[in-house]
Amino acid sequence: EDKVVQSPLSLVVHEGDTVTLNCSYEVTNFRSLLWYKQEKKAPTFLFMLTSSGIEKKSGRLSSILDKKELFSILNITATQTGDSAVYLCAVESGGSNYKLTFGKGTLLTVNP
Amino acid sequence: AAGVIQSPRHLIKEKRETATLKCYPIPRHDTVYWYQQGPGQDPQFLISFYEKMQSDKGSIPDRFSAQQFSDYHSELNMSSLELGDSALYFCASSFKGYNSPLHFGNGTRLTVT
Repeated sequence: EDKVVQSPLSLVVHEGDTVTLNCSYEVTNFRSLLWYKQEKKAPTFLFMLTSSGIEKKSGRLSSILDKKELFSILNITATQTGDSAVYLCAVESGGSNYKLTFGKGTLLTVNP
Repeated sequence: AAGVIQSPRHLIKEKRETATLKCYPIPRHDTVYWYQQGPGQDPQFLISFYEKMQSDKGSIPDRFSAQQFSDYHSELNMSSLELGDSALYFCASSFKGYNSPLHFGNGTRLTVT
């Protein structure tokens, strides 16, 4: 059974701190790993990672994948209160019929 | 840019009633996924469609069915509703031909009383 594990489950930081969120996975026929940010409603797409060692960046957010050790990290630097959300890691796997398996998410709270 | 559209946004039903949720994918997206997210839970995959054919099935109860129509919109039909069906139901779409991520709609919040 495909498995995606995120850590920590919850994190509370102060504005300006840097955080690292972790995602490890065990899946059959890995295709890609995705990070989503979920506030009140729909998960919004952040990054899609398919190759090891290539960092993706968007503003203060960055992410990298290690396909040998089967994990990814999401970094957020200079955190702001607007970064408070649940960050979901999902892994796309399978052959012709593929699916997305989500982790439980990391609840990030950024206090002013 | 156009996003995934879901309707209705909120739905309140009684036990044993039926409900139909609709999803309109992003234009040119050919794959639709349905997810159920309970309070404080991660999204659970229900079912997916590619080019109007069911492509994968997850933890979808037998009381639920879904289909994708010729215009690529999808409907999730839920019958004999139970209290435990109360959840946020997300639809997501992607273009399967390329390595494209799923984009989610804002969800339908179903409350069964």
